[in-house]
Amino acid sequence: DTAVSQTPKYLVTQMGNDKSIKCEQNLGHDTMYWYKQDSKKFLKIMFSYNNKELIINETVPNRFSPKSPDKAHLNLHINSLELGDSAVYFCASSQARGYEQYFGPGTRLTVT
Amino acid sequence: AQSVTQLGSHVSVSEGALVLLRCNYSSSVPPYLFWYVQYPNQGLQLLLKYTTGATLVKGINGFEAEFKKSETSFHLTKPSAHMSDAAEYFCAVSGHYNQGGKLIFGQGTELSVKP
Repeated sequence: DTAVSQTPKYLVTQMGNDKSIKCEQNLGHDTMYWYKQDSKKFLKIMFSYNNKELIINETVPNRFSPKSPDKAHLNLHINSLELGDSAVYFCASSQARGYEQYFGPGTRLTVT
Repeated sequence: AQSVTQLGSHVSVSEGALVLLRCNYSSSVPPYLFWYVQYPNQGLQLLLKYTTGATLVKGINGFEAEFKKSETSFHLTKPSAHMSDAAEYFCAVSGHYNQGGKLIFGQGTELSVKP
């Protein structure tokens, strides 16, 4: 059983397109996150949700819109994709804020 | 503000040698500290964590780390490296509760293991 899953694993698209990444966790956790890993492997928080409520929006452009239909799912929609959005996006979940986080396998987004 | 610094972006050891990956943190409150490992094209896997209590923490795959408040350090060690330990290692500190519990990562250390 995969604890935190993401789809798709790879996403190649052109500038200006809109795309979505889906995340699901079956751990029963209350808190979910999106992180961005850049080409230098640096990881940075983007969003945090707790019980479907947005807790953190870490100065992410408005083109990025997370949505949490229920506490097991956190999706990421990106409008008007730019070259600089190319990165690996990781979803994670934790039992509560401050607890250890469990990561999904990542989605490698390439914008051409 | 909290921060994490990992000393050395690349560390190379011989198989069977001691592994030491350095991590220093900055936090205005008692920190929760974590080490994660990332194998190529995979997600992050939790190696070990420190929250409270015993300062020497044991994790998976034979790794351990010691929390030293006076030195603001949380270095990761393993007595004997295996080829399978080659990966990227990240140290992280957990943000305050009112920061949503986000993880603040160091820049990562790539560990190479020579036969």
